[in-house]
Parts: sequence; structure tokens; C-alpha cells
Amino acid sequence: RKEVEQDPGPFNVPEGATVAFNCTYSNSASQSFFWYRQDCRKEPKLLMSVYSSGNEDGRFTAQLNRASQYISLLIRDSKLSDSATYLCAVNAGTNAGKSTFGDGTTLTVKP
Amino acid sequence: SQTIHQWPATLVQPVGSPLSLECTVEGTSNPNLYWYRQAAGRGLQLLFYSVGIGQISSEVPQNLSASRPQDRQFILSSKKLLLSDSGFYLCAWSEDTNQPQHFGDGTRLSIL
Repeated sequence: RKEVEQDPGPFNVPEGATVAFNCTYSNSASQSFFWYRQDCRKEPKLLMSVYSSGNEDGRFTAQLNRASQYISLLIRDSKLSDSATYLCAVNAGTNAGKSTFGDGTTLTVKP
Repeated sequence: SQTIHQWPATLVQPVGSPLSLECTVEGTSNPNLYWYRQAAGRGLQLLFYSVGIGQISSEVPQNLSASRPQDRQFILSSKKLLLSDSGFYLCAWSEDTNQPQHFGDGTRLSIL
């Protein structure tokens, strides 16, 4: 079993739809959590950190469920420009801030 | 603000040739530094990380090595490239243990 798992998708949704991704992690000692966005043939870019209380940034909401060991990303009112691969990352809080990345979930927003 | 520079952007090398990819970070001191490889359509594979000058940890046995000759400089090298070394190489830095990582633009390496 992988340390961090994501549904690879693809998720194909119409503009304006709400879409949610989950990411499960196996290490219960994990300390910090992040969502990244990666466009085709580009580097991953930090989308948002995930806090215990949940956090929101515009149309994006991230939540952490420690009991069930998963994080989620909700995108409301999807735009064409949201089409990308979304990677989750989990830090165990030790070992030089190493992150374990999921393989990503691909989202395509269609007109 | 902090910036990370990685070069070259693309590289085509013959099998058996050497490799040197360089990454520098500006605007911070004593960052944690990382090298990743991403095969086409796949996830990120951590190759090396460093918590300070001269300190290198290797994650997977391979044909590559890394060095950190200066605080904000991280170099990925190989003496003889293999076909399997092709991929998208990404350098990243983070400020601290529980902080996110920030990536350079990446180097797309093709081995012929």
C-alpha cells in the first residue's frame, strides 16, 4: 500500500460544477499537509496548506480528517483554468521536512 | 522574497555521457533542499535531500549523486547516464520541517 494515495481520475466536469478530491495517508504521525497544482509539463505549485480546522481560499476549501487519515480539496464553481493535476503532500514532521506526494488526480473542466 | 532557479530547462544527452544539473535558492538561508524525478504521467520520486552544506541523504539507489557545496546550491550529477535516467527533474526547497516545498521550473532530460 502506498503511503499517500489519490484517485488518479480523470475527473471530467462541466464549468461551474463542484468537485472534490480525497487523499488518504497511512502514517498516523503525519504533521502537515498540502495541496499542489501541477499543469502539464510544469512544476508543482503550492495551492494551499491544510490545517486541522480546515481552510478556505476563494473557491477552494481544504479539510483534514485525522481520525480517518485523509485530506480533501473542494473546488466550487469550476473554471476552465482549474484543469490540472492536483497533488497532495504529507509531511511526517521528521527527516528534514520530507514530503510524500500522491501521484495526483487529474481534473478536466469542460465548457 | 525567496526564489529558486534551476537550469537548464531542457537537456538532450547521449547514453553514457555525464550530467550536471544545478539549482540555487535566493532570499533564505539554510533551506532544506530536494531533488525529485518525475517520469511521464507519474508521481514525484524523491531522489536526494539535504539539510545543510555537505549533508546529502539518498532515497533510492541509482545512477545519480547529489552535492551541496554552498548553503543555497544543490547539484545533481551522474558520471554515465542510462536510458532510464530520462525524466523531468525538479529541485525544491523548504524553510522548515512542517513547511511546504517550493519547486524550481524543472529540467526535462532526454537520453538518446
